[in-house]
Amino acid sequence: GQQLNQSPQSMFIQEGEDVSMNCTSSSIFNTWLWYKQDPGEGPVLLIALYKAGELTSNGRLTAQFGITRKDSFLNISASIPSDVGIYFCAGLLYGNNRLAFGKGNQVVVIP
Amino acid sequence: SQTIHQWPATLVQPVGSPLSLECTVEGTSNPNLYWYRQAAGRGLQLLFYSVGIGQISSEVPQNLSASRPQDRQFILSSKKLLLSDSGFYLCAWSMAPGGETQYFGPGTRLLVL
Repeated sequence: GQQLNQSPQSMFIQEGEDVSMNCTSSSIFNTWLWYKQDPGEGPVLLIALYKAGELTSNGRLTAQFGITRKDSFLNISASIPSDVGIYFCAGLLYGNNRLAFGKGNQVVVIP
Repeated sequence: SQTIHQWPATLVQPVGSPLSLECTVEGTSNPNLYWYRQAAGRGLQLLFYSVGIGQISSEVPQNLSASRPQDRQFILSSKKLLLSDSGFYLCAWSMAPGGETQYFGPGTRLLVL
């Protein structure tokens, strides 16, 4: 399957700091999705991006669909303790109904 | 609104026993349905997907099978569990056709002893 390179793999940040993570691939994607997974639960969709260059916000979260269509980033501003979790990127190739997933980024927020 | 359910939430089974995990979706018709396994280390591995009743595509050869007896029901099964089948099993759905955005269920934690 298609490989998505997600970095960093883990982050320890101070409460109130901003967080930035990204996802890259050698393939071109039609859709980029960002999910958050809390321990023992299923991933929850945070932001969906459908157009190259699209910048979308959801509260303190902002994500962008890269112009080259091969990457995406997610920013979390002013982190709070409940931001703890694993953040996954996922991408969908054109004409394909199977998502490729990154390996996730474990975010730990230190109060 | 759409909701997705998985049952059971947690399961402990002996090696060699059968398995049946159920996933149901409410509030939508003719969804695409997916089974994933998430092992320690966090990656999500697609096991099966279905675009309609009785239509199953398998992504990786394994000890598991899937069935879709009804439009909004997806079942993951095994005749004889292996230790390596332990993991966190996630069901997901997406709108058909296209299926750009997938929505996940709460998951089933399976421990094979």
